[in-house]
Amino acid sequence: DVKVTQSSRYLVKRTGEKVFLECVQDMDHENMFWYRQDPGLGLRLIYFSYDVKMKEKGDIPEGYSVSREKKERFSLILESASTNQTSMYLCASSSAGWPSRGYTFGSGTRLTVV
Amino acid sequence: DQQVKQNSPSLSVQEGRISILNCDYTNSMFDYFLWYKKYPAEGPTFLISISSIKDKNEDGRFTVFLNKSAKHLSLHIVPSQPGDSAVYFCAASENAGGTSYGKLTFGQGTILTVHP
Repeated sequence: DVKVTQSSRYLVKRTGEKVFLECVQDMDHENMFWYRQDPGLGLRLIYFSYDVKMKEKGDIPEGYSVSREKKERFSLILESASTNQTSMYLCASSSAGWPSRGYTFGSGTRLTVV
Repeated sequence: DQQVKQNSPSLSVQEGRISILNCDYTNSMFDYFLWYKKYPAEGPTFLISISSIKDKNEDGRFTVFLNKSAKHLSLHIVPSQPGDSAVYFCAASENAGGTSYGKLTFGQGTILTVHP
C-alpha cells in the first residue's frame, strides 16, 4: 500500500522554537508538497519540490523553509515558530507529468504553537 | 486572492437524497479539476476528476459537472450515505501535463453531513 508518512500526528512547540516537520513517501514520486489547512481558508500551498535539492515557493512561504536532500524525504522548517503558525500541516506527493489522480496525502501534523 | 471558491461552508442532507457541492473558479487557465474528501485526522483522498475538454465525469455514485463558460463545477453524490459525511475540497490546476509540476489550488472546503 503506497504511503506518505508524516513523522508526527500532534506537536506542541513554544514561540520562537525552530520546528522540523518530516515527510517520507515510498512511491518514488518526483513532486512533493507542503500545505497548511485552516478553517475557512482551505489548503494553502507553502512550498513544493519537483526534484532533489529543488524547491519552489508556494502561496504562503513566509516564515517557512524546506529541505529535500533525498527523493523520498521532504522537510518543512519553521525557522522561529509563531502562534499564527498553529495549523494542520499536510504533506503530499505526486508523479512527474500530469498526475491524473492528483496527490497522495499524508495524515497530517497538527501543530500548536504556544 | 482566492482563485478557487467553495461558497457553502456546510451542507446537510438526508440519507438517500442527492448531495450537490459547488465550486467556482476565476483563473481561466485552469484545465484540470479534482475533488478530494477528507475525514477528521486523516489526509484528503482523491475522489474524482475532470479535464476541461469534458463537461461530465461519472464514477459510481459520484458525478462531476463542469461549466467552463460559468467557471463552475459541481459534485453530485447520489444516493448520499452517512459514510459520505466529510469535508469536500475542490482543486484546480493549469497546464495539465506541462510544467505545472501538478501544483493544485484548493477551495476552502464544504462540510457535508448526511443524516440517517
